[in-house]
Amino acid sequence: AQSVTQPDIHITVSEGASLELRCNYSYGATPYLFWYVQSPGQGLQLLLKYFSGDTLVQGIKGFEAEFKRSQSSFNLRKPSVHWSDAAEYFCAVGYQKVTFGIGTKLQVIP
Amino acid sequence: DAGVTQSPTHLIKTRGQHVTLRCSPISGHKSVSWYQQVLGQGPQFIFQYYEKEERGRGNFPDRFSARQFPNYSSELNVNALLLGDSALYLCASSPPGTEVGETQYFGPGTRLLVL
Repeated sequence: AQSVTQPDIHITVSEGASLELRCNYSYGATPYLFWYVQSPGQGLQLLLKYFSGDTLVQGIKGFEAEFKRSQSSFNLRKPSVHWSDAAEYFCAVGYQKVTFGIGTKLQVIP
Repeated sequence: DAGVTQSPTHLIKTRGQHVTLRCSPISGHKSVSWYQQVLGQGPQFIFQYYEKEERGRGNFPDRFSARQFPNYSSELNVNALLLGDSALYLCASSPPGTEVGETQYFGPGTRLLVL
C-alpha cells in the first residue's frame, strides 16, 4: 500500500532563511509525487509535481523539490522564505488514488 | 474563470442524520474527486468520478456515497452521521487528459460538524 511520511509536524524558520521540508514515500512503482500548500481557510494549492524525467522539479512561488529514488524521498526546498509562506504543506503520492501525508506546519518569524 | 466551488461552506448536523455536500468543478473539467480532512491530518481520498462513473473509492464505509451529474457537478452523501465524520470535505476537479489525479484543483471545502 502506498504511504507518505512527513516527519516534521511543525517547523519554524526565520524570514530570509532557507527551508527544507522532508517527505518519504512508499509506493510499488514509479511514483507520482506532489507537494501542496494549504493556508488557513483555503483549499489546497499544488506547488509542484513529479512523474518522470529530471529529478529536480521547479514549482510555483520559488519552491523546488528533488526526487531521490534510493532514499524514497521527495523533499521540498526554498532558498529564502517569505512571511507569506507560513502555511501547512502536504506531500502526496499516488496515481488516481492520491495519499497525503499528515502535513508540516511552517511558521515564519521576522 | 471560476474555480471549484463547494456548498455549503459550513454545516452542523447531529449524530444519525444525513448530509449532502455539493461540488461544481471548473468549467470543462469532467473528473471530480472527494477528500475528507480531519483536523490535524492530511486529506484522505474518498471517491473519484469521471464522466459520471465511479473510478476510484477509498477506505470509507458504505455510509459514504457520491454521484456525478450530466453537468459534471457532484454530490457527496453521508448517512447515519457519526461524531468522527466531523471534518473538512474537499472536492477537486481535474482537467481533460489528467483524469487519474495528476493535476487536481481543489475547492475551499465544506466544514462539517457533527454533534
